[in-house]
Amino acid sequence: DTEVTQTPKHLVMGMTNKKSLKCEQHMGHRAMYWYKQKAKKPPELMFVYSYEKLSINESVPSRFSPECPNSSLLNLHLHALQPEDSALYLCASSQGMAGASYEQFFGPGTRLTVL
Amino acid sequence: AQTVTQSQPEMSVQEAETVTLSCTYDTSESDYYLFWYKQPPSRQMILVIRQEAYKQQNATENRFSVNFQKAAKSFSLKISDSQLGDAAMYFCAYRVLFKAAGNKLTFGGGTRVLVKP
Repeated sequence: DTEVTQTPKHLVMGMTNKKSLKCEQHMGHRAMYWYKQKAKKPPELMFVYSYEKLSINESVPSRFSPECPNSSLLNLHLHALQPEDSALYLCASSQGMAGASYEQFFGPGTRLTVL
Repeated sequence: AQTVTQSQPEMSVQEAETVTLSCTYDTSESDYYLFWYKQPPSRQMILVIRQEAYKQQNATENRFSVNFQKAAKSFSLKISDSQLGDAAMYFCAYRVLFKAAGNKLTFGGGTRVLVKP
């Protein structure tokens, strides 16, 4: 199983809502990532978890709160978002962090619209 | 800081023909990995091919091959015998090897490939 799954596929939320994005992998990977991708732009790294600990936070606003409950799950909690946060949110995983050939496997993404 | 540049926003190719996508990067590191990722309209990012900087031999994967010029910091992708399923956005990406920041990818701006039947 070389699959990263993400739910929901689409999410529409108001600026006062609280919602969560979920990512799951069963490949035994120990590193998981959140990326934000605006239309016609490349993905931008937001967070990296390694062995369930946050290892990289790319100066992301606190209205985005990641959580890694276990080695297979990665959540992104959303609160008080702005319309400019509307984007495709991609999750990825890799076998580890610093290894020579640790390819990142991407999920299909969650299309988020903030009204 | 590492930067990755893809100078072609869009490329069009006839089915069964060959197309080459350009990528240049800037780094002061000597050990790193380069990747080409494909993102079809369905959105899922898929790894197409990978090149280790310490290897002089160019990587190939079936119809996909790269021309890696380390001194020139150039990493182009050639798609041979193009198929309709090759239509997608292609991202060149750079990854630093064995650093504390670990597996961090830096992406180029992307090249959209259109395949004409």
